[in-house]
Amino acid sequence: EVQLVQSGAEVKKPGESLKISCKASGYSFTSSWIGWVRQMPGKGLEWMAVIYPNDADTKYSPSFQGRVTISVDKSLSTAYLQWSSLKTSDTAMYFCTKHPRGSYYLAEDWGQGTPVSVSS
Amino acid sequence: SSELTQDPAVSVALGQTVRITCQGDSLTSYYANWYQQKPGQAPVLVIYRNNNRPSGIPDRFSGSDSGNTASLTITGAQAEDEADYYCNSRDSSGDLVLFGGGTKLTVL
Repeated sequence: EVQLVQSGAEVKKPGESLKISCKASGYSFTSSWIGWVRQMPGKGLEWMAVIYPNDADTKYSPSFQGRVTISVDKSLSTAYLQWSSLKTSDTAMYFCTKHPRGSYYLAEDWGQGTPVSVSS
Repeated sequence: SSELTQDPAVSVALGQTVRITCQGDSLTSYYANWYQQKPGQAPVLVIYRNNNRPSGIPDRFSGSDSGNTASLTITGAQAEDEADYYCNSRDSSGDLVLFGGGTKLTVL
């Protein structure tokens, strides 16, 4: 059974850095894309980025390029999303997603979500 | 660049059939997928590559496509189908991922 277990809720101040995680199990971590989707309070889903763990091929939405960094640790079967300087507008739920090797736009499995709150 | 357009809200009487649509230029070239999201929960894939159902998804859910429009049909809607539904696909370049704005389905 595929499982994507995300790190817990975060409360941060503007300008702080943050790294959230997604631990994958139940499949070959290096053979599927893994990514992140944002959902702001009361709003829809927004694709952020995906990475292919086997070769670290990465794709970002233009809306998030330069604002966040996606990475993986293959030895831990874990994906990360990090910010160097948070803004209040980063307050949202962040979902980790798993995608088949040939279809990084198809999110076949989802993590439970990590709520991030950024406020002064 | 391109976008996927969904009606913000749709309602259906219990047991009746409802179609939720997703329009976008990129859908003439690429498949659509559909996700169901209930309040406070993560989305769940209900239809992939236009008309395929993942295991465990009831067969009252089906998908189709015509031209620049993809559709999700629920035949015999149940109370538990009340949720937000999102389509997704690629953009016209094929490199980027798009989500529609979502449709809130109310089962009356």
